[in-house]
Amino acid sequence: EPEVTQTPSHQVTQMGQEVILRCVPISNHLYFYWYRQILGQKVEFLVSFYNNEISEKSEIFDDQFSVERPDGSNFTLKIRSTKLEDSAMYFCASSGVTGVQETQYFGPGTRLLVL
Amino acid sequence: GQNIDQPTEMTATEGAIVQINCTYQTSGFNGLFWYQQHAGEAPTFLSYNVLDGLEEKGRFSSFLSRSKGYSYLLLKELQMKDSASYLCAVAWDNTDKLIFGTGTRLQVFP
Repeated sequence: EPEVTQTPSHQVTQMGQEVILRCVPISNHLYFYWYRQILGQKVEFLVSFYNNEISEKSEIFDDQFSVERPDGSNFTLKIRSTKLEDSAMYFCASSGVTGVQETQYFGPGTRLLVL
Repeated sequence: GQNIDQPTEMTATEGAIVQINCTYQTSGFNGLFWYQQHAGEAPTFLSYNVLDGLEEKGRFSSFLSRSKGYSYLLLKELQMKDSASYLCAVAWDNTDKLIFGTGTRLQVFP
């Protein structure tokens, strides 16, 4: 069964450093998402991406965040200058053809720790 | 705001039935999803409701009442492996952005 994959599974970084989180969505999916979950808290939407552009972003997704689809398979989230409060589990998700009213399938997550 | 309410914790016994409720703001509603999340893992899809009624999938069923802004997830013949958090997530205003509730942590005891 096709699945979303993410790398790395864990990332430790120093405050102020840049990190890039990588995702490979399900191959025939067209809609891609990033969510985050701070330890013990709820899953929060960050950004949605379709047709090589951001379709929606949350208040959390400020100028230090960016997303890119550098090739036909990868989808990345870059955090330019990490802060302590960026420590969280970051989940990539993808859905198929219409986005709206379609199931989003989540990857296993990258646990980011900012020191 | 786009509030979602679900109980924080529930407990049940192996073999029993448990119902996890979720209420949400009805204005602009465009679909409700239930996900299961084991500690430290990704949410995995369980069910989707957009029309009123019951959707059944094996041991799991989900119900929706659009007018009441209410859904429940019913888990039958509980097994120890069902111990997890159950997340209610709603889409509003014809977007694909999912807003998640805080999740209901279910503990199944022998």
